[in-house]
Amino acid sequence: AQSVAQPEDQVNVAEGNPLTVKCTYSVSGNPYLFWYVQYPNRGLQFLLKYITGDNLVKGSYGFEAEFNKSQTSFHLKKPSALVSDSALYFCAVRDKGNYGQNFVFGPGTRLSVLP
Amino acid sequence: EAGVVQSPRYKIIEKKQPVAFWCNPISGHNTLYWYLQNLGQGPELLIRYENEEAVDDSQLPKDRFSAERLKGVDSTLKIQPAELGDSAVYLCASSLFGQGGDTIYFGEGSWLTVV
Repeated sequence: AQSVAQPEDQVNVAEGNPLTVKCTYSVSGNPYLFWYVQYPNRGLQFLLKYITGDNLVKGSYGFEAEFNKSQTSFHLKKPSALVSDSALYFCAVRDKGNYGQNFVFGPGTRLSVLP
Repeated sequence: EAGVVQSPRYKIIEKKQPVAFWCNPISGHNTLYWYLQNLGQGPELLIRYENEEAVDDSQLPKDRFSAERLKGVDSTLKIQPAELGDSAVYLCASSLFGQGGDTIYFGEGSWLTVV
């Protein structure tokens, strides 16, 4: 069975500092991995994904994530946080070899960037 | 390109009343999803369609929830009768099989309050 863990409910960071939002996953095969962001009263917005290839993936708004197969992790990072990055972030996984399985979303991490 | 469109955005109803949500997916996307999102939590799949066929409705509470996707495009999710515990965000999403790891794109959500 697939699963996603986001070990931190809340991450606080000062504006201008680097940020990391953690995600670990479990799938039986190889994963497709995704990050989504949700602003207040909005739907989930796609940020970036890992499908194959380079382990460092770059996405929207200066975010990037690194796929680490040995640690089964896909942490979201940004070199310099903005107040406008404050939102709810969701990691999601799907088993690459089994289309019949659905995406599984993590519980979310609330990022607060303090001015 | 237009995104996933949902309506209504907000709905307040009394318990035991019916409610319906409508979704128009991204043009050409053959897969359509309805997710339930409780406040501050990750999305949970209710039903997934491949074209007109509901391929996974295992998490849909069929005693009160129903869904349809006529002609393989638009979809409607209905709740009858609504209960207090149904207050949540109902997210519609779509994807294209075999493209980009089947990235899911979400609408803005339909926010339901049952009083």
